[in-house]
Amino acid sequence: EVQLVESGGGLVQPGGSLRLSCAASGFSLSAYWMIWVRQAPGKGLEWVANINRDGGQKYYADSVKGRFTISRDNAKNSLHLQMNSLGAEDTAVYYCVRDDGGRYSSGWYDAFDVWGQGTMVTVSS
Amino acid sequence: AIQVTQSPSSLSASVGDSVAITCRASQGIGNDLGWYQQKPGKAPKLLIYATSTLQSGVPSRFSGSGSGTDFTLTISSLQPEDFATYYCLQDYNYPRMFGQGTKVEIK
Repeated sequence: EVQLVESGGGLVQPGGSLRLSCAASGFSLSAYWMIWVRQAPGKGLEWVANINRDGGQKYYADSVKGRFTISRDNAKNSLHLQMNSLGAEDTAVYYCVRDDGGRYSSGWYDAFDVWGQGTMVTVSS
Repeated sequence: AIQVTQSPSSLSASVGDSVAITCRASQGIGNDLGWYQQKPGKAPKLLIYATSTLQSGVPSRFSGSGSGTDFTLTISSLQPEDFATYYCLQDYNYPRMFGQGTKVEIK
């Protein structure tokens, strides 16, 4: 079964750090771009960051740039998100997502086809 | 960053109705838009990518259209399991941006 399982969430004080992990099973992580998406309580979805297949390309939302770092370990089939200088605005469920995108007539498309169950991060004193 | 404005924010409809949700991008994005469905307490689910391509296993009552700046998700003949929140996502450039969401409720 194709599955993504996040871990590492929890309660952290403002200014603190947390490292999220995502374990992939049922497929080879190395074949896919991977993404982190978050959702604050009662709010909409926010794209956080993505990383290409070999880890050489990374992109970030403006809201996390310089504070968060996405990385991957293809040998261990795992994805990570290092989060530093956390603030209340970072409180959210964080989803690990697989991108099964590809090329089509007009260019390239994203297709976020597999999602983890999410891990909750709460930033509070 | 390209902003994506989704409307309406919510709508009420009955089983069997046809509904349309729109997303407008702040600049042209070609056909680089997808649609996602989310039910309470669950992870989102991919419905459509590249404007109009249905993800495998998604019922054909879901369809997508548009190009450039204006896009539409249409659900024909609403079913009980379709009551959920829907999001569009522009994947034309970085940062990727989701629409604000449309909650489809039972009338």
